[in-house]
Amino acid sequence: KAGVTQTPRYLIKTRGQQVTLSCSPISGHRSVSWYQQTPGQGLQFLFEYFSETQRNKGNFPGRFSGRQFSNSRSEMNVSTLELGDSALYLCASSSRDSRFGYTFGSGTRLTVV
Amino acid sequence: EDQVTQSPEALRLQEGESSSLNCSYTVSGLRGLFWYRQDPGKGPEFLFTLYSAGEEKEKERLKATLTKKESFLHITAPKPEDSATYLCAVQVSQGAQKLVFGQGTRLTINP
Repeated sequence: KAGVTQTPRYLIKTRGQQVTLSCSPISGHRSVSWYQQTPGQGLQFLFEYFSETQRNKGNFPGRFSGRQFSNSRSEMNVSTLELGDSALYLCASSSRDSRFGYTFGSGTRLTVV
Repeated sequence: EDQVTQSPEALRLQEGESSSLNCSYTVSGLRGLFWYRQDPGKGPEFLFTLYSAGEEKEKERLKATLTKKESFLHITAPKPEDSATYLCAVQVSQGAQKLVFGQGTRLTINP
């Protein structure tokens, strides 16, 4: 079956702009979570959505937001981009049974210049 | 504060040379411990989930074990294709799909 699809794969933005990233989970998975990966901080949790509701949020500023649609697809938005937002943004989807783990997409590489 | 520490940061082995990676954790309540493999430019790939002390899981040349304070990923007779970054993560809240990750161990297997 198809895996987690993230678009776009690469993105270059200028400081002050905003960006929207998209994630399509595995069919049947209703939970979608987002992570930021940087060389210095590693993988850090941003937020998690289940059935269009945000269930958890990490320690990121309000510039980072997200949403989930009725078909479980999710988007995350970063407004007023800063240089430090340059990172690999990863989306993961999971079924109700976490024994099978969280399946990650290949990520979106965001570069802020 | 929930914390996951992996050691070593980097490990270089010869093909066939077995070793172990460590993941120690300090969490308020462990719901599950996950091991992932990540290749450059790709997302993490799920390997194992462990839930209780004493549990073990195996897959090809990899074996994961869990105690109350740490987990080990044993690699037996590794091959160059096992080269990757291995990530450990803990789930600390039942039903909440939030993982706390360690910094990873970068493993290189020389032929």
